[in-house]
Amino acid sequence: DQQVKQNSPSLSVQEGRISILNCDYTNSMFDYFLWYKKYPAEGPTFLISISSIKDKNEDGRFTVFLNKSAKHLSLHIVPSQPGDSAVYFCAAMNYGGSQGNLIFGKGTKLSVKP
Amino acid sequence: DTAVSQTPKYLVTQMGNDKSIKCEQNLGHDTMYWYKQDSKKFLKIMFSYNNKELIINETVPNRFSPKSPDKAHLNLHINSLELGDSAVYFCASSQSDRGFSPLHFGNGTRLTVT
Repeated sequence: DQQVKQNSPSLSVQEGRISILNCDYTNSMFDYFLWYKKYPAEGPTFLISISSIKDKNEDGRFTVFLNKSAKHLSLHIVPSQPGDSAVYFCAAMNYGGSQGNLIFGKGTKLSVKP
Repeated sequence: DTAVSQTPKYLVTQMGNDKSIKCEQNLGHDTMYWYKQDSKKFLKIMFSYNNKELIINETVPNRFSPKSPDKAHLNLHINSLELGDSAVYFCASSQSDRGFSPLHFGNGTRLTVT
């Protein structure tokens, strides 16, 4: 039973354009959401997070939007760069619980074409 | 200097063998984890240790046994390997187990059981 879903396995975007990666969750207890980025043959690295008390968090070219009523979050990358080509994992947790209960989605592979 | 290092990077072995994967972190973190990424690409928690104490032990077969000699090391020993154990195993660490602190992952160990 997938509690965190990334329904698009891949996304291709032209350099300079916006990349939008989507994520849905089912567990109402989740109140903290994260995005991790993974290059081939490397481990995931933390990118950006958002608490359920916010609906937007921005860090440079990366912005995460949270729609609690729809149980949906998205990651926007503007402008997209070839170096952004990677697999992006959405993850969710209950902030008061153990980090080991972090639930990951299957990932979306982003390809940014020059 | 690599923050979270795991060895070996690749491990090819036959069914029934016993193997170990080592993990070390030099970040001074209190919590370490083992994750498994299976063929469906899900990243799933297997174990987490906080200051050498087992915190989470997900429903993995007892053929898998983590060992934490000190808080900088968390090794994974697997007995009687089966075909279904083939996956990429990631070690990770975080500053604490509670609240949020980013997970720092190793580069993974690709285990192939033949």
